[in-house]
Amino acid sequence: DIQMTQSPSSLSASVGDRVTITCRASQSIGTYLNWYQQKPGKAPKLLIYAASRLQSGVPSRFSGSGSETDFTLTISSLQPEDFATYFCQQSYRTPRTFGQGTKVEIK
Amino acid sequence: QVQLVESGGGVVQPGRSLRLSCAASGFTFSTYAMHWVRQAPGKGLEWVGVISIDGSNKYYTDSVTGRFTISRDNSKNTLFLQMNSLRAEDTAVYYCATEVGRQLGHDYWGQGTLVTVSS
Repeated sequence: DIQMTQSPSSLSASVGDRVTITCRASQSIGTYLNWYQQKPGKAPKLLIYAASRLQSGVPSRFSGSGSETDFTLTISSLQPEDFATYFCQQSYRTPRTFGQGTKVEIK
Repeated sequence: QVQLVESGGGVVQPGRSLRLSCAASGFTFSTYAMHWVRQAPGKGLEWVGVISIDGSNKYYTDSVTGRFTISRDNSKNTLFLQMNSLRAEDTAVYYCATEVGRQLGHDYWGQGTLVTVSS
């Protein structure tokens, strides 16, 4: 199975901060990498697919980059509604493994 | 608009069975691969399995292989997850999710249904 490792597991940030979350795959996955946001009690929401493509309706402050084994999700200016948990997922092969999540909390 | 509505969750004893359903509307169900993803209380997301658009191909995570079966009825726009020999570690919120293409992510999710396996 492909292991996905996110870092950090949690972070504290202020509104307006630039936030970066990384995701590393245990083997090369090309750009088969997706990012999701999840708020408490809610289903995950797709933010980024194919490593860098912004899902329709997602604010442009979210961006993704990377390929092969190293990927990054960046929030350029953190907004109050962005406090949530973020997960990466590889869709290169089954099982479609997720990272363990990064909780973004208010500083 | 796109809607996925899971049902069938509840409390079940270890070793028993449960069948989840996911009713789809607002999109052409038969053109989407469908996935099940679960989340144990306070934990991260775990992919459970996938079924192809016509139901001919299915893949599962190792921990449920041989116990869980995914099926679909494209005439009724419904996805199913048959769960047998349930274990305490299967306790989770179960989500169904769409995928129109392997590189396009799970663009739509249901609200989830809670399965609790306990004696």
